[in-house]
Amino acid sequence: QKEVEQDPGPLSVPEGAIVSLNCTYSNSAFQYFMWYRQYSRKGPELLMYTYSSGNKEDGRFTAQVDKSSKYISLFIRDSQPSDSATYLCAMIKAAGNKLTFGGGTRVLVKP
Amino acid sequence: GAVVSQHPSWVICKSGTSVKIECRSLDFQATTMFWYRQFPKQSLMLMATSNEGSKATYEQGVEKDKFLINHASLTLSTLTVTSAHPEDSSFYICSARESYSSDRGEDGYTFGSGTRLTVV
Repeated sequence: QKEVEQDPGPLSVPEGAIVSLNCTYSNSAFQYFMWYRQYSRKGPELLMYTYSSGNKEDGRFTAQVDKSSKYISLFIRDSQPSDSATYLCAMIKAAGNKLTFGGGTRVLVKP
Repeated sequence: GAVVSQHPSWVICKSGTSVKIECRSLDFQATTMFWYRQFPKQSLMLMATSNEGSKATYEQGVEKDKFLINHASLTLSTLTVTSAHPEDSSFYICSARESYSSDRGEDGYTFGSGTRLTVV
């Protein structure tokens, strides 16, 4: 079993819809959580970073962490075709420095 | 924000030759750099962690003699794929962590734009 599970998609939504992404993890040692966006043949870019349970909002993006359920989510409001990309969750253990990635979810926002 | 420059962005080489990929942190010092490999439609797989001035730490299953990593300065790490074969064709991505990043994750890890290696 992978440490971090993420539905590969693809997830297809119409422009303007809310995109809902999530990851589950099995190791409670993970304490810091990130969401990255990766366009085809490019490196990942950081979208959101959280370390405590609850919600964090930044523009159209909301990240949610539920440590008790070992579940994190990313919501994208008012989705745009430019949001079409692969979204990767990543997390770090408290005592480590390595990122552990989910498998990534491919998102397609149709105009 | 922090910028990591990775070169080349793509390279085609003949089987049996070696290829060097550079990863530079442009506006910060990176004590630690990470090298990843990514196959199509798959996630990033960590290959090795390199610390400036010391030997790289390789993940299980990664051949250290095949993938040579040098982190000679706080702003430069290189990955050399030696005696490349078609099965080494992949997308390689580096990541650099700022030396004095106090907050794990936030602004601490910056990725390069990746190198697409094709071995023919």
